[in-house]
Amino acid sequence: QVQLVESGGGVVQPGGSLKVSCKASGFIFSNYGMHWVRQAPGRGLEWVTFIRFDGGNIQYTDSVKGRFTISRDNSKNTLYLQMKSLRPEDTAVYYCAKDSPQAMDYWGQGTLVTVSS
Amino acid sequence: AVRMTQSPSSFSASTGDRVTITCRASQGINGHLAWYQQEPGKAPKLLIYAASTLQSGVPSRFSGSGSGSDYTLTISSLQSEDFATYYCQQYYTYPMNTFGQGTKLEIK
Repeated sequence: QVQLVESGGGVVQPGGSLKVSCKASGFIFSNYGMHWVRQAPGRGLEWVTFIRFDGGNIQYTDSVKGRFTISRDNSKNTLYLQMKSLRPEDTAVYYCAKDSPQAMDYWGQGTLVTVSS
Repeated sequence: AVRMTQSPSSFSASTGDRVTITCRASQGINGHLAWYQQEPGKAPKLLIYAASTLQSGVPSRFSGSGSGSDYTLTISSLQSEDFATYYCQQYYTYPMNTFGQGTKLEIK
């Protein structure tokens, strides 16, 4: 069965950096694009970034451009999100999601990133 | 950017009720619409894609319809497990998908 397991969340000070990971299993990871979606406490879902199956066609929402970097290692079935210059408004649960394609058919359980001094 | 507006933002209903949630896009999205269900503390779950296609394993009481910029999610007979928050999402501008603000369905 498809499983996506995020890790690496935690508390970081404003201006700091953090890298979260998403380990995939149960499907051929190298055949599918992947998304990161976040959800601030008590708020709705916000699409953050996408990477194509081969690492190409990377896209970001405007608020994270230049600060966040998505990447993947198909040999390790793992998706990454490197976050720099973090702001309090980046505080959220970060979900990785498998592209179906186009819709998102499987989601991880999420990892909480808290930006606070 | 395509903006998605859901209505209502929240409402109360009873088990057995038929309910409809509406999602309006700021422009036509040619049926490139998905619906997700999110229970408290859990990840979202895909219910419907391509506006009306039921994802495998989703109960048939869920249905979707619409075209152009206006779409609906209908639950024909509410069950206790359906009380959750529902999100629409457009992928017309794939991969830069955008979500509606959510509709919270509560027990009356």
